[in-house]
Amino acid sequence: DIQMTQSPSTLSASVGDRVTITCRASQSISSWLAWYQQKPGKAPKLLIYKASSLESGVPSRFSGSGSGTEFTLTISSLQPDDFATYYCQYYNNYSWTFGQGTKVEIK
Amino acid sequence: EVQLVESGGGLVQPGGSLRLSCVASGFTFSSYAMSWVRQAPGKGLEWVSVISGSGGSTYYADSVKGQFTISRDNSKNTLYLQMDSLRAEDTAVYYCAKTTGGDGYKDYFDYWGQGTLVTVSS
Repeated sequence: DIQMTQSPSTLSASVGDRVTITCRASQSISSWLAWYQQKPGKAPKLLIYKASSLESGVPSRFSGSGSGTEFTLTISSLQPDDFATYYCQYYNNYSWTFGQGTKVEIK
Repeated sequence: EVQLVESGGGLVQPGGSLRLSCVASGFTFSSYAMSWVRQAPGKGLEWVSVISGSGGSTYYADSVKGQFTISRDNSKNTLYLQMDSLRAEDTAVYYCAKTTGGDGYKDYFDYWGQGTLVTVSS
């Protein structure tokens, strides 16, 4: 089974900071990667699919990159609404595996 | 507007059963595979099961295989999850999620319900 590992687990940042979250796959997954944002008590929200495609309605300060085994989610200028937990997800061949999550906290 | 509304969660004793429902609206339900994802308290997301748009194909995580059964009624725009022989480790918020395709093969989740809490405890 493919394992997804995110780093860091927790990230402290300030409004306006550039933030990068990394997700590594245990073997190559091509570009079959999505990113989700989850706020406390709420359902996850899709941000990025196919590693770098921005979901409709998601602010352009969010971007995704990578292929193979290493991927990044970047928030170019952190906004107050962005403090949340972020999950990467591998999807392919009837298999969906999430990373353990990265919590973005206020510094 | 796509809406997914789960129900059926609650407190159940170990070894008991529960059936979750998810009523969908705002899209052609039968055209999309649907999935269940769970989240234990304070933990991350875990995919549970998926069913194709037609209902003809189903897949399960190893952790629930043989214990949970996913089904759908396209005439009622409703997704179900029958959970049997429940254990404490099944305690979680259960989300239904719409996939982006008909069979789920290379599909991700574009819409999620608000979740329903299942607590397994004596």
